[in-house]
Amino acid sequence: NAGVTQTPKFQVLKTGQSMTLQCAQDMNHEYMSWYRQDPGMGLRLIHYSVGAGITDQGEVPNGYNVSRSTTEDFPLRLLSAAPSQTSVYFCASSYSMGGQHLREQYFGPGTRLTVT
Amino acid sequence: GESVGLHLPTLSVQEGDNSIINCAYSNSASDYFIWYKQESGKGPQFIIDIRSNMDKRQGQRVTVLLNKTVKHLSLQIAATQPGDSAVYFCAENIQAGTALIFGKGTTLSVSS
Repeated sequence: NAGVTQTPKFQVLKTGQSMTLQCAQDMNHEYMSWYRQDPGMGLRLIHYSVGAGITDQGEVPNGYNVSRSTTEDFPLRLLSAAPSQTSVYFCASSYSMGGQHLREQYFGPGTRLTVT
Repeated sequence: GESVGLHLPTLSVQEGDNSIINCAYSNSASDYFIWYKQESGKGPQFIIDIRSNMDKRQGQRVTVLLNKTVKHLSLQIAATQPGDSAVYFCAENIQAGTALIFGKGTTLSVSS
């Protein structure tokens, strides 16, 4: 049971480039989410998904796209990278108790992204 | 806007002391709260949670207190150890159980 895995661990992009951050979980969790963490800002929710085929926006969705074609995978796409997207990105997953109460989330190790 | 925040960005304690980390929230509709610990270079790790129909919940060396009257949440760590040094975040449940909002974090430093 690998838990939540993220690739790559580190990435440097030039402004305007596109890339996909990968996230996978092997716990059969319904709920998956993406956060970004900036110094002194805590974690901010980008997008989340309550199940395959369902995604929704969080606090800071602009500049990011997601899709959820399978229960296991939840990739985050940056279509045209900007320096403001320099951050550490965390993927998380959890059980969703019928949508009523969010159980504790299991976080991946993070991807450190720098956009120059 | 409504958000979860923490009273102090840093807290320094001696090994063996009890630590109290505070969090204020403003969304009266929040019904579920979680405390996370984040060590340097790692993702956040679940510590303890509490639902709004409870005032107190205890775990191993940790206790979470919820005061809904003043919208205040606290995490108490008993007999703090150097391994407890980390950033601690509180998070509140919004949007009917589909999303969490995190506070900015308190850095706990434990000296021996």
